[in-house]
Amino acid sequence: SQQGEEDPQALSIQEGENATMNCSYKTSINNLQWYRQNSGRGLVHLILIRSNEREKHSGRLRVTLDTSKKSSSLLITASRAADTASYFCATDAGGQNFVFGPGTRLSVLP
Amino acid sequence: DAGVIQSPRHEVTEMGQEVTLRCKPISGHNSLFWYRQTMMRGLELLIYFNNNVPIDDSGMPEDRFSAKMPNASFSTLKIQPSEPRDSAVYFCASSFRQGAWAQYFGPGTRLLVL
Repeated sequence: SQQGEEDPQALSIQEGENATMNCSYKTSINNLQWYRQNSGRGLVHLILIRSNEREKHSGRLRVTLDTSKKSSSLLITASRAADTASYFCATDAGGQNFVFGPGTRLSVLP
Repeated sequence: DAGVIQSPRHEVTEMGQEVTLRCKPISGHNSLFWYRQTMMRGLELLIYFNNNVPIDDSGMPEDRFSAKMPNASFSTLKIQPSEPRDSAVYFCASSFRQGAWAQYFGPGTRLLVL
């Protein structure tokens, strides 16, 4: 089974609204990353959060990490049509490599 | 920097043929990863190299798959013989080091085995 799983699987919102995606994982981690994938393209790294951090910001992105609940959330504020993509969380499960979840497909409607 | 470069971008081949996918990582990156992405199985790590040495190939599906990294600027993933179930998008990614570093993905090779 996946180490990390995103929720929801798909999300549709209107431009200007906020989008929130969640990632739950099973075993303890050292780090968690979020990536974006536009259709037909490779994944693009968005943000990395370490297990001793609770929140990080990057532009319109806000990532939180709750190690007690083994979950993370990605918030995109004031969404744009260009934010339409799949978003993946990747967890290291205490190891050296990151395991990717199945992703959340975000559609931002103009 | 041009980013991670993969070739070919698209490959259509017939079952039983040999397929070779190529990757040039970002200069200065010491770790290289090969992934396979399908609708059914998502993104799977096939193998990764650290300083040109294969570290973990447990994700390689079977003996038909092999990967090499002869130097720091080039890696190949070979499938011989190819089968229709190998159809997928294959990504190469590199990172500065192994561990808590961002991975930079190439554009992928879309493989279709008929």
